[in-house]
Amino acid sequence: AQSVTQLDSHVSVSEGTPVLLRCNYSSSYSPSLFWYVQHPNKGLQLLLKYTSAATLVKGINGFEAEFKKSETSFHLTKPSAHMSDAAEYFCVVSFYYNQGGKLIFGQGTELSVKP
Amino acid sequence: NAGVTQTPKFQVLKTGQSMTLQCAQDMNHEYMSWYRQDPGMGLRLIHYSVGAGITDQGEVPNGYNVSRSTTEDFPLRLLSAAPSQTSVYFCASRPGQTNEKLFFGSGTQLSVL
Repeated sequence: AQSVTQLDSHVSVSEGTPVLLRCNYSSSYSPSLFWYVQHPNKGLQLLLKYTSAATLVKGINGFEAEFKKSETSFHLTKPSAHMSDAAEYFCVVSFYYNQGGKLIFGQGTELSVKP
Repeated sequence: NAGVTQTPKFQVLKTGQSMTLQCAQDMNHEYMSWYRQDPGMGLRLIHYSVGAGITDQGEVPNGYNVSRSTTEDFPLRLLSAAPSQTSVYFCASRPGQTNEKLFFGSGTQLSVL
């Protein structure tokens, strides 16, 4: 069965330090992978996506993610956290070929940024 | 463009009441979907549609109905509300069945007492 797991429900960093949000997936098929961000009381916004091109994907606001097939991972990173990065982040997998493009969401990781 | 518009933003229901959550998009997207968001569970797909007249069930369809009579609108109906349906609901759309990004509405916070 296809699934996605975000390894941390909550991550806390200090402003200016690196951010690492971890995501692993399980699939027999080649997935498309996304990271979405949700700020408080807002809808979700796409940060970046991987669709079998370059394995290192750059997104908005300085975030990037690396697709590692051998580790079935798609971790989200940012070199230097900003206060405005505090939000909930969702790793999302799409298995187009067997599920018509339906998306499976991870459980979410809440990122806190301390001054 | 307004994007994806959801109404209402907040709603309180009593157990057994029915209601419809409205979703409209003005981007001519073929694909529309409804999710519910619960703490610690991410977003779970309720129903989705790949075009007018076509709908299908997602992970958690029980207690919800949908229809897609036009490309623009995709209402979600709660037939007999239950406390377990207390959640935040998001409507989302994207062009076709490609792996393009989803455009999300701003959400509806529903409480069932």
